[in-house]
Amino acid sequence: SQTIHQWPATLVQPVGSPLSLECTVEGTSNPNLYWYRQAAGRGLQLLFYSVGIGQISSEVPQNLSASRPQDRQFILSSKKLLLSDSGFYLCAWSTGPADTGELFFGEGSRLTVL
Amino acid sequence: GNSVTQMEGPVTLSEEAFLTINCTYTATGYPSLFWYVQYPGEGLQLLLKATKADDKGSNKGFEATYRKETTSFHLEKGSVQVSDSAVYFCALSESRGSQGNLIFGKGTKLSVKP
Repeated sequence: SQTIHQWPATLVQPVGSPLSLECTVEGTSNPNLYWYRQAAGRGLQLLFYSVGIGQISSEVPQNLSASRPQDRQFILSSKKLLLSDSGFYLCAWSTGPADTGELFFGEGSRLTVL
Repeated sequence: GNSVTQMEGPVTLSEEAFLTINCTYTATGYPSLFWYVQYPGEGLQLLLKATKADDKGSNKGFEATYRKETTSFHLEKGSVQVSDSAVYFCALSESRGSQGNLIFGKGTKLSVKP
């Protein structure tokens, strides 16, 4: 069966420090991968998606970047965190375009920037 | 642009009460509609979906009907249980070229008391 893992689950970082959140999917090949963010009091916002290795599409201009070095690995990064980067980050995968069916989400990573 | 509006939470009910969580949407075209659920400490998972007008999605006793005339997709359950306590997200599909997206509402937290 397919599984998705995110880590770390919780992170507290000072402003200006770097960030790396990692997501891996098991049990499937060539998934579409997504990073969403849920800020307090707001819905889920799509940040990045990837349809293949090295292929990254950014939805929202911001302080973050994403990379997909392997088929089932998706990394969210920042060189210098801002207070506004605080939030709950969710990785997800799908077998096809997101608008046609089900997204499978990881457990999420809660980031607090102080 | 496309958007989803959910009723504000939190919603607190007694066990066996009737549940309605309102969801309305704004979209061009004919999106698919989804309800996702996030249990405490877990990622989001698909609860039910409907792909065209008048379709009814159902799962685990929950139902929602795609109402094009009122642009709504309200979630209902006749008798809630303590185990239904979770955050519920309404979402719609949005086509973007070869890769679609899901637009999520802010989520509605449901607490069911014994």
